[in-house]
Amino acid sequence: EAQVTQNPRYLITVTGKKLTVTCSQNMNHEYMSWYRQDPGLGLRQIYYSMNVEVTDKGDVPEGYKVSRKEKRNFPLILESPSPNQTSLYFCASSFGRVNTEAFFGQGTRLTVV
Amino acid sequence: SQQGEEDPQALSIQEGENATMNCSYKTSINNLQWYRQNSGRGLVHLILIRSNEREKHSGRLRVTLDTSKKSSSLLITASRAADTASYFCALGSSNTGKLIFGQGTTLQVKP
Repeated sequence: EAQVTQNPRYLITVTGKKLTVTCSQNMNHEYMSWYRQDPGLGLRQIYYSMNVEVTDKGDVPEGYKVSRKEKRNFPLILESPSPNQTSLYFCASSFGRVNTEAFFGQGTRLTVV
Repeated sequence: SQQGEEDPQALSIQEGENATMNCSYKTSINNLQWYRQNSGRGLVHLILIRSNEREKHSGRLRVTLDTSKKSSSLLITASRAADTASYFCALGSSNTGKLIFGQGTTLQVKP
């Protein structure tokens, strides 16, 4: 089954404690991205990757890092989480950047206290 | 803002009725896409309409695109309780090369 898998689904952590949210897709997609979803603000792109070892900033990259060492994986790293990073996070993948449908993971609800 | 502006923000209808949601935008687009999100879950792609297309159908869904007015509409016919969800338009921007999401319309279909 074609899917994008995120882990964990739920995470509560403390300020400053480094964490990684994993994302994996099994569709051989070149393009992957991370979004955060906040009430009243919709989905905002954090980072994206056009292919292995090619990543770039989205609209709200501050406080986040990503890596793309393999085509299927695109982890999101919060080196020093802060409460304003409490949000619902989604990973997505697609064949291309714009002209194809995006497949989304089930989301990771992160709470930073 | 380059986002799609969705209207209405919330819509409540009875099962069997039609639901219409609108998306207006300001940027130049390659395509416009519609997604559905059930509460707290991932977005699911519904339909993609390219900038040179005017109308597209998929099952009970009908999407129109008017590039002169920079607007699109999503019509769900004969709605069901299972259609209850948030619906987002997403702009495939030719200016930025990005997919830009609107803030969504929350649809409630009452049984």
